[in-house]
Amino acid sequence: DAGVTQSPTHLIKTRGQQVTLRCSPKSGHDTVSWYQQALGQGPQFIFQYYEEEERQRGNFPDRFSGHQFPNYSSELNVNALLLGDSALYLCASSLGGKLFFGSGTQLSVL
Amino acid sequence: TQLLEQSPQFLSIQEGENLTVYCNSSSVFSSLQWYRQEPGEGPVLLVTVVTGGEVKKLKRLTFQFGDARKDSSLHITAAQPGDTGLYLCASEAGFGNEKLTFGTGTRLTIIP
Repeated sequence: DAGVTQSPTHLIKTRGQQVTLRCSPKSGHDTVSWYQQALGQGPQFIFQYYEEEERQRGNFPDRFSGHQFPNYSSELNVNALLLGDSALYLCASSLGGKLFFGSGTQLSVL
Repeated sequence: TQLLEQSPQFLSIQEGENLTVYCNSSSVFSSLQWYRQEPGEGPVLLVTVVTGGEVKKLKRLTFQFGDARKDSSLHITAAQPGDTGLYLCASEAGFGNEKLTFGTGTRLTIIP
């Protein structure tokens, strides 16, 4: 049984560009959450998707948006990238409470 | 938003020693989770504590939830190099709410 998979594993962008990160949840999991983990910090909640709708959102600007597809996979989009968006982006899937995290996408903004 | 403070921020000890790391908040936790994160990986759930005063054991790891549910500790006995990693505590926004607030973590290094 594959766990949570994220792609790409690493990404380099320049300021002002847009980026899309992808997540496939653990088999059978219907809820996907996204977290941003800056260097030396704990993960910070961005938003959560369930039944293709954004269910909860953290304190992130509208430049951060997402989508969930009928197969429960999800995308995180970030527009107008800033240097401060450089971080590890983690996806977590869940079914009934316990979260399983992917290995993340390391985004570097130059 | 609940703030979680973890201490120490960094800890480096010899293999075989014991250690304790802490997680504190000014407000009451509905529940508390402990995760370990290794380099290049996402966090992995170790344990969830819910009841004040609760103690849970996972092999050489002992987790304790404070009576007032505002603090928690993780004690490792006879540390091994495989215990190296970032230890994170996290609280739910409300009971059963999967939105987690994480602490900044304790980075543990076990020296062989």
